[in-house]
Amino acid sequence: GAGVSQSPRYKVAKRGQDVALRCDPISGHVSLFWYQQALGQGPEFLTYFQNEAQLDKSGLPSDRFFAERPEGSVSTLKIQRTQQEDSAVYLCASSLGTGSHQPQHFGDGTRLSIL
Amino acid sequence: KNEVEQSPQNLTAQEGEFITINCSYSVGISALHWLQQHPGGGIVSLFMLSSGKKKHGRLIATINIQEKHSSLHITASHPRDSAVYICAVPSYNTDKLIFGTGTRLQVFP
Repeated sequence: GAGVSQSPRYKVAKRGQDVALRCDPISGHVSLFWYQQALGQGPEFLTYFQNEAQLDKSGLPSDRFFAERPEGSVSTLKIQRTQQEDSAVYLCASSLGTGSHQPQHFGDGTRLSIL
Repeated sequence: KNEVEQSPQNLTAQEGEFITINCSYSVGISALHWLQQHPGGGIVSLFMLSSGKKKHGRLIATINIQEKHSSLHITASHPRDSAVYICAVPSYNTDKLIFGTGTRLQVFP
C-alpha cells in the first residue's frame, strides 16, 4: 500500500515568505508526527497529533510555526515569515496506533531552503 | 549531555567487512529504533527492539537494557548499505522519538 507522502519534496522561499508543507499519512494511522532535521543532524521533534487532536507541540521553535490536522488525516505544517534558520528537512511520520512501542513510518521529507 | 549518542559519526568500510554501529542512551525506554536514511532524506525503519536481539537478512540489532546500549551490525557489507544509520528512543512517557545524530556509513567496492 501507499506509504507516507510529503509534498512538495523541495521548497525554496525568500526570507519573510510563508510556506505550507503537506503530509499524507498512511490511511488509518492514528498518530502523526512532524520532525525537523538540520543538515548533518538527527531529526528533532516538532509536534504530534492523535487523530485531529494536537497533543504535543512542545517542539515548535516559535509561534511562526503552526500545524494542523483538521480531519485526522492529512496534516499541514505552516511556517510564517520564514527565516534562514528554518532551512531544514521537514519529516512527517505516522503510526497505526498510540504508544512508544508502535513503529513510525516516515515520508521522504520536504527539503526547505530559505534564501 | 545528549540523551542519545551514537558512535562512530562516520565509518568507511570495504565491501564484505563486518560493520558495527553503537548507540547509548540515558533515558529509560520501552523500545529502541534503528533507522536508515539514504541521501535524499527518506527514512526507513530497520528495527524496533526492547530486549535481546533481532535479525533481518544481513542486519542484526542487539540491545542491553541494563547498560542502556544497543548495537547495529551489518555482515558482509555492500556498497548499497551506504547510508546514515540513526538510533532513536521514545522520550519518557511519550510517543515522540529522540534521535541520535546518526552514523554515516560508506562502503566501497
